[in-house]
Amino acid sequence: LAKTTQPISMDSYEGQEVNITCSHNNIATNDYITWYQQFPSQGPRFIIQGYKTKVTNEVASLFIPADRKSSTLSLPRVSLSDTAVYYCLVGGYNFNKFYFGSGTKLNVKP
Amino acid sequence: EAGVAQSPRYKIIEKRQSVAFWCNPISGHATLYWYQQILGQGPKLLIQFQNNGVVDDSQLPKDRFSAERLKGVDSTLKIQPAKLEDSAVYLCASSLDTRLAEQFFGPGTRLTVL
Repeated sequence: LAKTTQPISMDSYEGQEVNITCSHNNIATNDYITWYQQFPSQGPRFIIQGYKTKVTNEVASLFIPADRKSSTLSLPRVSLSDTAVYYCLVGGYNFNKFYFGSGTKLNVKP
Repeated sequence: EAGVAQSPRYKIIEKRQSVAFWCNPISGHATLYWYQQILGQGPKLLIQFQNNGVVDDSQLPKDRFSAERLKGVDSTLKIQPAKLEDSAVYLCASSLDTRLAEQFFGPGTRLTVL
């Protein structure tokens, strides 16, 4: 399983766009990139998944460059309720296996 | 639709005691996962079932941990005997399939070993 590197923590203010970048230099051809969100005392929750270029859903966008060695999760106009830990995962094609790193703790301030 | 159910939510035991956690996945989900999450770390996969067969248990400490998924639905994770380092949140998740499938997590069981 390819491992990932993310910033340990980030601060932002309400209404700002937040970009969290993840490095995955050893990504395999079949690997997909998936992001999960985890609030305290809850299990992680799926945010978005992609393979290349750009994916957008109702809560986030995922940007993946051509070499796929990194990816960026973009959260538009964050609110206090977006304060959480965000995990970047790589894998999934074979038996849906992923590796959770330590994640990025996002702190949104008023 | 009902989510992944886990019980108990909290458990406190002394070292060398045994403990069991129960998980009921989302109806129709063939794949079930047990994760261990130590404070400040990301979840670590302990075991993955596809229906009632084990897909991956490479990170399960088999000398003390065991898990089963009878009839391919509910699952139980047991620790016997528990050690102090087993203090963690044990998360159960399920997914519809085994390829690129969204995993739905339960609320977890917080275990404290004294």
